[in-house]
Amino acid sequence: NAGVTQTPKFQVLKTGQSMTLQCAQDMNHNSMYWYRQDPGMGLRLIYYSASEGTTDKGEVPNGYNVSRLNKREFSLRLESAAPSQTSVYFCASSAGTGGSGANVLTFGAGSRLTVL
Amino acid sequence: SQQGEEDPQALSIQEGENATMNCSYKTSINNLQWYRQNSGRGLVHLILIRSNEREKHSGRLRVTLDTSKKSSSLLITASRAADTASYFCATALNTNAGKSTFGDGTTLTVKP
Repeated sequence: NAGVTQTPKFQVLKTGQSMTLQCAQDMNHNSMYWYRQDPGMGLRLIYYSASEGTTDKGEVPNGYNVSRLNKREFSLRLESAAPSQTSVYFCASSAGTGGSGANVLTFGAGSRLTVL
Repeated sequence: SQQGEEDPQALSIQEGENATMNCSYKTSINNLQWYRQNSGRGLVHLILIRSNEREKHSGRLRVTLDTSKKSSSLLITASRAADTASYFCATALNTNAGKSTFGDGTTLTVKP
């Protein structure tokens, strides 16, 4: 089982460029998430999708957009990248709302983004 | 703001020793989870403890939860070099999606 797959693993952008991070899960999970992790820090939630067809802002949504393409896929878009968005981005999924399984997250391997 | 705070920030021990990490949080929770992150990798879920539970075990891991003190501890017994990683607690206010908040983590180094 692949679990959660993110692409690309590494990306270098110039300020103002745009890009999309792709994420797919094969566990039939209802909920999907995008987090960012800055050096020496924990994860901060950018956006999440509780179920197919819904998306909600997390703690740090500014500068990002998301699309829940279908139950499997959840993409994160940076429309105009800024140096402050240099970070490692993690996609995650969970079973869904109701029951503590909703809070058990399965993570992808991460996408390291550098904005010059 | 972060709900959970781990303590210590860094811990270095010898192989075979026990490692204890603590997590404190601010508001009432539904459950608390512990995750491990090896260098350059994603987080891996270790254990979840519900607010009505006081202790859970999984292999060499023992997690306690004290809701009156709003704190949890993760004990790794008989540590191995392979346990070297960062450990994060995450607190969930309820069982809806998007309600888990991560702390900044404890970096554990186990020396062979």
